[in-house]
Amino acid sequence: GAGVSQSPRYKVTKRGQDVALRCDPISGHVSLYWYRQALGQGPEFLTYFNYEAQQDKSGLPNDRFSAERPEGSISTLTIQRTEQRDSAMYRCASSFDAGGQGANMVYEQYFGPGTRLTVT
Amino acid sequence: GNSVTQMEGPVTLSEEAFLTINCTYTATGYPSLFWYVQYPGEGLQLLLKATKADDKGSNKGFEATYRKETTSFHLEKGSVQVSDSAVYFCARNHAGGKLIFGQGTELSVKP
Repeated sequence: GAGVSQSPRYKVTKRGQDVALRCDPISGHVSLYWYRQALGQGPEFLTYFNYEAQQDKSGLPNDRFSAERPEGSISTLTIQRTEQRDSAMYRCASSFDAGGQGANMVYEQYFGPGTRLTVT
Repeated sequence: GNSVTQMEGPVTLSEEAFLTINCTYTATGYPSLFWYVQYPGEGLQLLLKATKADDKGSNKGFEATYRKETTSFHLEKGSVQVSDSAVYFCARNHAGGKLIFGQGTELSVKP
Protein backbone atom coordinates (compact mmCIF):
# COMPACT_ATOMS: atom_id res chain seq x y z
CA GLY A 1 0.00 0.00 0.00
CA ALA A 2 0.95 3.64 -0.21
CA GLY A 3 3.30 5.03 2.38
CA VAL A 4 3.39 8.48 3.91
CA SER A 5 3.64 11.19 1.31
CA GLN A 6 4.67 14.81 1.67
CA SER A 7 4.44 17.75 -0.65
CA PRO A 8 6.16 19.67 -1.91
CA ARG A 9 9.42 17.74 -1.74
CA TYR A 10 11.39 20.97 -2.11
CA LYS A 11 10.32 24.50 -1.33
CA VAL A 12 12.35 27.65 -1.80
CA THR A 13 10.76 30.80 -0.45
CA LYS A 14 11.76 34.32 0.34
CA ARG A 15 12.04 35.58 3.86
CA GLY A 16 8.72 36.90 5.12
CA GLN A 17 6.54 34.64 2.98
CA ASP A 18 4.16 32.06 4.40
CA VAL A 19 4.55 28.39 3.49
CA ALA A 20 2.27 25.38 3.88
CA LEU A 21 3.68 21.88 4.01
CA ARG A 22 1.39 18.93 3.46
CA CYS A 23 1.47 15.41 4.86
CA ASP A 24 -0.70 12.53 3.71
CA PRO A 25 -0.41 9.67 6.22
CA ILE A 26 -0.94 5.98 5.73
CA SER A 27 -4.65 5.30 5.46
CA GLY A 28 -6.19 4.38 8.79
CA HIS A 29 -3.32 5.63 10.91
CA VAL A 30 -4.61 7.44 13.95
CA SER A 31 -1.48 9.34 14.92
CA LEU A 32 0.47 11.85 12.88
CA TYR A 33 3.72 13.50 13.92
CA TRP A 34 5.73 16.45 12.58
CA TYR A 35 9.49 16.70 13.06
CA ARG A 36 12.12 19.18 11.91
CA GLN A 37 15.63 18.11 11.03
CA ALA A 38 18.52 20.50 10.66
CA LEU A 39 21.50 19.48 8.58
CA GLY A 40 23.71 17.04 10.48
CA GLN A 41 21.23 16.64 13.31
CA GLY A 42 18.53 14.20 14.27
CA PRO A 43 14.85 15.00 13.81
CA GLU A 44 13.28 17.16 16.52
CA PHE A 45 9.65 16.76 17.52
CA LEU A 46 7.29 19.61 16.65
CA THR A 47 3.72 18.44 17.22
CA TYR A 48 1.39 15.46 16.94
CA PHE A 49 -2.25 14.59 16.38
CA ASN A 50 -4.52 11.76 17.30
CA TYR A 51 -7.29 11.83 14.71
CA GLU A 52 -8.03 15.55 14.28
CA ALA A 53 -7.04 16.56 17.80
CA GLN A 54 -3.68 18.20 18.32
CA GLN A 55 -2.37 16.43 21.41
CA ASP A 56 0.99 18.06 21.92
CA LYS A 57 2.46 21.15 20.31
CA SER A 58 5.26 21.66 22.77
CA GLY A 59 7.91 21.37 20.07
CA LEU A 60 6.64 24.21 17.89
CA PRO A 61 9.40 26.84 18.17
CA ASN A 62 7.17 29.93 18.22
CA ASP A 63 3.73 31.18 17.24
CA ARG A 64 4.68 31.51 13.56
CA PHE A 65 4.34 27.73 13.39
CA SER A 66 0.96 26.04 13.39
CA ALA A 67 -0.47 22.73 12.28
CA GLU A 68 -3.87 21.27 11.61
CA ARG A 69 -5.47 17.98 10.69
CA PRO A 70 -9.12 18.95 10.26
CA GLU A 71 -10.52 15.61 9.10
CA GLY A 72 -8.15 13.33 10.89
CA SER A 73 -6.21 12.43 7.78
CA ILE A 74 -4.14 14.96 5.81
CA SER A 75 -2.21 17.47 7.89
CA THR A 76 -0.76 20.85 7.04
CA LEU A 77 2.15 22.52 8.81
CA THR A 78 2.12 26.27 8.22
CA ILE A 79 4.99 28.64 8.83
CA GLN A 80 4.13 32.32 8.70
CA ARG A 81 6.59 35.11 7.95
CA THR A 82 9.40 32.65 7.28
CA GLU A 83 12.91 33.39 8.46
CA GLN A 84 16.22 31.96 7.28
CA ARG A 85 16.54 29.95 10.49
CA ASP A 86 13.41 28.03 9.45
CA SER A 87 15.40 26.35 6.67
CA ALA A 88 15.45 22.62 7.39
CA MET A 89 13.99 19.27 6.38
CA TYR A 90 10.44 18.90 7.67
CA ARG A 91 9.43 15.29 8.23
CA CYS A 92 6.02 13.79 8.81
CA ALA A 93 5.36 10.36 10.29
CA SER A 94 2.23 8.37 10.98
CA SER A 95 1.52 5.39 13.21
CA PHE A 96 -1.38 3.06 13.88
CA ASP A 97 -1.82 4.68 17.28
CA ALA A 98 0.17 6.83 19.66
CA GLY A 99 0.77 3.88 21.93
CA GLY A 100 1.14 3.93 25.69
CA GLN A 101 2.80 2.25 28.59
CA GLY A 102 3.77 -1.35 28.12
CA ALA A 103 5.80 -3.22 25.57
CA ASN A 104 2.77 -4.26 23.53
CA MET A 105 1.67 -0.68 23.01
CA VAL A 106 4.60 0.60 20.97
CA TYR A 107 3.70 1.32 17.38
CA GLU A 108 6.13 1.95 14.57
CA GLN A 109 6.23 5.41 13.08
CA TYR A 110 6.43 5.43 9.28
CA PHE A 111 8.18 8.46 7.88
CA GLY A 112 7.53 10.33 4.68
CA PRO A 113 10.31 11.53 2.37
CA GLY A 114 10.34 15.00 3.91
CA THR A 115 10.04 18.53 2.56
CA ARG A 116 13.30 20.42 2.19
CA LEU A 117 12.53 24.08 2.99
CA THR A 118 15.00 26.77 2.04
CA VAL A 119 14.32 30.37 3.06
CA THR A 120 16.38 32.91 1.14
CA GLY B 1 15.90 15.28 31.26
CA ASN B 2 15.07 13.14 28.29
CA SER B 3 17.79 12.92 25.68
CA VAL B 4 19.68 10.56 23.42
CA THR B 5 23.41 10.77 22.75
CA GLN B 6 25.20 8.79 20.10
CA MET B 7 28.76 8.63 18.95
CA GLU B 8 29.84 11.18 16.44
CA GLY B 9 30.59 10.23 12.90
CA PRO B 10 31.53 9.79 10.28
CA VAL B 11 32.52 6.19 10.83
CA THR B 12 34.48 4.66 7.96
CA LEU B 13 34.96 0.90 7.80
CA SER B 14 36.12 -1.66 5.32
CA GLU B 15 33.70 -4.29 4.10
CA GLU B 16 33.30 -7.22 6.52
CA ALA B 17 34.53 -5.16 9.49
CA PHE B 18 32.73 -5.20 12.84
CA LEU B 19 30.51 -2.22 13.56
CA THR B 20 29.57 -0.62 16.86
CA ILE B 21 27.69 2.66 17.14
CA ASN B 22 27.26 3.74 20.74
CA CYS B 23 24.01 5.20 22.04
CA THR B 24 23.07 6.24 25.56
CA TYR B 25 19.85 7.78 26.79
CA THR B 26 18.50 9.63 29.77
CA ALA B 27 14.94 9.09 30.83
CA THR B 28 12.49 9.02 33.64
CA GLY B 29 10.84 5.65 33.55
CA TYR B 30 11.55 2.98 30.98
CA PRO B 31 11.22 4.13 27.41
CA SER B 32 11.23 1.99 24.30
CA LEU B 33 14.39 2.33 22.24
CA PHE B 34 14.87 2.37 18.49
CA TRP B 35 17.42 2.51 15.75
CA TYR B 36 16.36 4.25 12.53
CA VAL B 37 18.37 4.25 9.31
CA GLN B 38 18.42 6.75 6.48
CA TYR B 39 19.91 5.46 3.24
CA PRO B 40 21.17 8.05 0.72
CA GLY B 41 18.26 9.82 -0.94
CA GLU B 42 15.64 8.01 1.13
CA GLY B 43 13.51 8.68 4.19
CA LEU B 44 13.90 7.35 7.71
CA GLN B 45 13.18 3.65 8.20
CA LEU B 46 12.87 1.71 11.42
CA LEU B 47 15.78 -0.74 11.66
CA LEU B 48 15.07 -2.36 15.02
CA LYS B 49 13.55 -1.71 18.41
CA ALA B 50 13.49 -2.96 22.00
CA THR B 51 10.67 -2.23 24.39
CA LYS B 52 12.00 -3.35 27.76
CA ALA B 53 15.20 -3.97 29.63
CA ASP B 54 17.38 -6.84 28.35
CA ASP B 55 15.38 -7.06 25.12
CA LYS B 56 17.48 -7.52 22.00
CA GLY B 57 16.27 -5.99 18.77
CA SER B 58 17.62 -7.41 15.53
CA ASN B 59 17.18 -6.95 11.81
CA LYS B 60 19.31 -7.34 8.67
CA GLY B 61 22.24 -8.62 10.76
CA PHE B 62 22.15 -5.62 13.09
CA GLU B 63 21.55 -6.07 16.81
CA ALA B 64 21.10 -3.83 19.84
CA THR B 65 20.42 -4.77 23.45
CA TYR B 66 18.48 -2.57 25.88
CA ARG B 67 20.79 -2.14 28.89
CA LYS B 68 19.00 -0.47 31.75
CA GLU B 69 22.01 -0.56 34.08
CA THR B 70 24.14 1.43 31.66
CA THR B 71 21.23 3.27 29.94
CA SER B 72 22.63 2.18 26.60
CA PHE B 73 21.40 0.72 23.30
CA HIS B 74 24.52 0.21 21.20
CA LEU B 75 24.10 -0.89 17.59
CA GLU B 76 26.31 -3.74 16.37
CA LYS B 77 26.86 -5.73 13.21
CA GLY B 78 29.41 -8.46 12.79
CA SER B 79 30.25 -7.90 9.14
CA VAL B 80 29.24 -4.71 7.37
CA GLN B 81 28.59 -4.40 3.66
CA VAL B 82 28.90 -1.45 1.30
CA SER B 83 25.10 -1.38 1.17
CA ASP B 84 25.02 -0.56 4.91
CA SER B 85 26.41 2.90 4.19
CA ALA B 86 23.81 5.26 5.65
CA VAL B 87 23.08 7.56 8.57
CA TYR B 88 21.93 5.76 11.72
CA PHE B 89 19.77 7.42 14.38
CA CYS B 90 19.18 6.15 17.89
CA ALA B 91 15.88 7.21 19.44
CA ARG B 92 13.68 6.75 22.49
CA ASN B 93 9.99 7.34 22.82
CA HIS B 94 8.27 9.78 25.11
CA ALA B 95 4.74 10.72 26.12
CA GLY B 96 2.29 10.35 23.28
CA GLY B 97 4.69 8.24 21.29
CA LYS B 98 6.82 11.11 20.10
CA LEU B 99 10.41 10.17 19.37
CA ILE B 100 13.53 11.82 20.74
CA PHE B 101 16.46 11.25 18.39
CA GLY B 102 20.20 11.36 18.72
CA GLN B 103 22.16 13.49 16.30
CA GLY B 104 22.86 10.64 13.89
CA THR B 105 26.02 8.75 12.95
CA GLU B 106 27.09 8.53 9.35
CA LEU B 107 28.55 5.17 8.33
CA SER B 108 30.63 4.76 5.21
CA VAL B 109 31.67 1.24 4.20
CA LYS B 110 34.44 0.93 1.63
CA PRO B 111 34.87 -2.16 -0.59
